[in-house]
Amino acid sequence: ETGVTQSPTHLIKTRGQQVTLRCSSQSGHNTVSWYQQALGQGPQFIFQYYREEENGRGNFPPRFSGLQFPNYSSELNVNALELDDSALYLCASSYRSTGEKTQYFGPGTRLLVL
Amino acid sequence: RKEVEQDPGPFNVPEGATVAFNCTYSNSASQSFFWYRQDCRKEPKLLMSVYSSGNEDGRFTAQLNRASQYISLLIRDSKLSDSATYLCVVDGNNDMRFGAGTRLTVKP
Repeated sequence: ETGVTQSPTHLIKTRGQQVTLRCSSQSGHNTVSWYQQALGQGPQFIFQYYREEENGRGNFPPRFSGLQFPNYSSELNVNALELDDSALYLCASSYRSTGEKTQYFGPGTRLLVL
Repeated sequence: RKEVEQDPGPFNVPEGATVAFNCTYSNSASQSFFWYRQDCRKEPKLLMSVYSSGNEDGRFTAQLNRASQYISLLIRDSKLSDSATYLCVVDGNNDMRFGAGTRLTVKP
């Protein structure tokens, strides 16, 4: 096991609602990345947090936002949910250092938007 | 063109077979390369990093060709437990770029 945990494991929401997903990083890791994985696709990068600041963002609209806390845990918030937001949301933790890029994933949160 | 492209698969092979997966990437500045495996409805798990000199871990061998921007994974003596989706991963700018994955099914 990677030591990365996510909650909740599953979630059902309706269009227009807001959702908050949570992630606890592996001990010793200071960076958290969030990914969206649609069925049959590879994970798509949403954003990364390092030292409580956003450190890179993929091609996702502003209604996808996040936070990182002093203990390096993180939240992903999605406002105004759309049907296409239904996916597996993965959090990955890593230790940011020169040359080290390996990321370790949590079990994910399955979000269904109806 | 996608940033990371993989063989679409699926690959269906008998136990004991050797199978090879290919992956190409578009960002010539990428420095880190990985293969992850993902079981059905589970998270991706690191299989191995890929080094310029090539590297081997038991039955798994990964190769990198920077000039051709090409990565490969070879699995020898396939086991039933190797059945999974294999994801090629390349670093971008503060993120990792994933291929769509190649599904492997090993049959008795």
